[in-house]
Amino acid sequence: DAGVIQSPRHEVTEMGQEVTLRCKPISGHNSLFWYRQTMMRGLELLIYFNNNVPIDDSGMPEDRFSAKMPNASFSTLKIQPSEPRDSAVYFCASRPPNSGAGSPLHFGNGTRLTVT
Amino acid sequence: AQSVAQPEDQVNVAEGNPLTVKCTYSVSGNPYLFWYVQYPNRGLQFLLKYITGDNLVKGSYGFEAEFNKSQTSFHLKKPSALVSDSALYFCAVRAPHGNNRLAFGKGNQVVVIP
Repeated sequence: DAGVIQSPRHEVTEMGQEVTLRCKPISGHNSLFWYRQTMMRGLELLIYFNNNVPIDDSGMPEDRFSAKMPNASFSTLKIQPSEPRDSAVYFCASRPPNSGAGSPLHFGNGTRLTVT
Repeated sequence: AQSVAQPEDQVNVAEGNPLTVKCTYSVSGNPYLFWYVQYPNRGLQFLLKYITGDNLVKGSYGFEAEFNKSQTSFHLKKPSALVSDSALYFCAVRAPHGNNRLAFGKGNQVVVIP
């Protein structure tokens, strides 16, 4: 199993540009989570999907952030326009179906975003 | 809403000595508790969890954690630390019902000194 795959690993962009982060969950997993990690705020849940449907997006910081999951094997997190304060490491995680609240998450290696 | 406190920023320990990373939590109802480890430039990896049953749970790489309901704690322990245990450790809690949110602590940097 290749695990959760995120791309790109690193992204450097200028303020105002659109950024798209990508995630491929583990095959067969039906829950997908997007987290943001910063030194100041730690790990924050941005949004999570169940069966491709967004369930809780209350962590999405602003309208500049949007996330989609068009099918079970792919999700995107888009920031438009990007700002320097968006600089962080963005993680995607997935979980198998019928696993219950006691099941752990499987994380990708993250995308380190730098907005200059 | 559920929350986790990891009071120490960094834990320094000599190789071969016992390692303890502290965690206290706040949640409505019986908690689901987790420990994750993060190595540099990597995602979080699951170490162990407490759902129900024996208060002492054992996990990967020789780690264990003890659930203490009266103190609302879930401290991570390892009897003999290795240099390779140097990493960032996160405690997390989820409520058994309601939203599916997993609340993470801020993380503790563990440094094992050779």
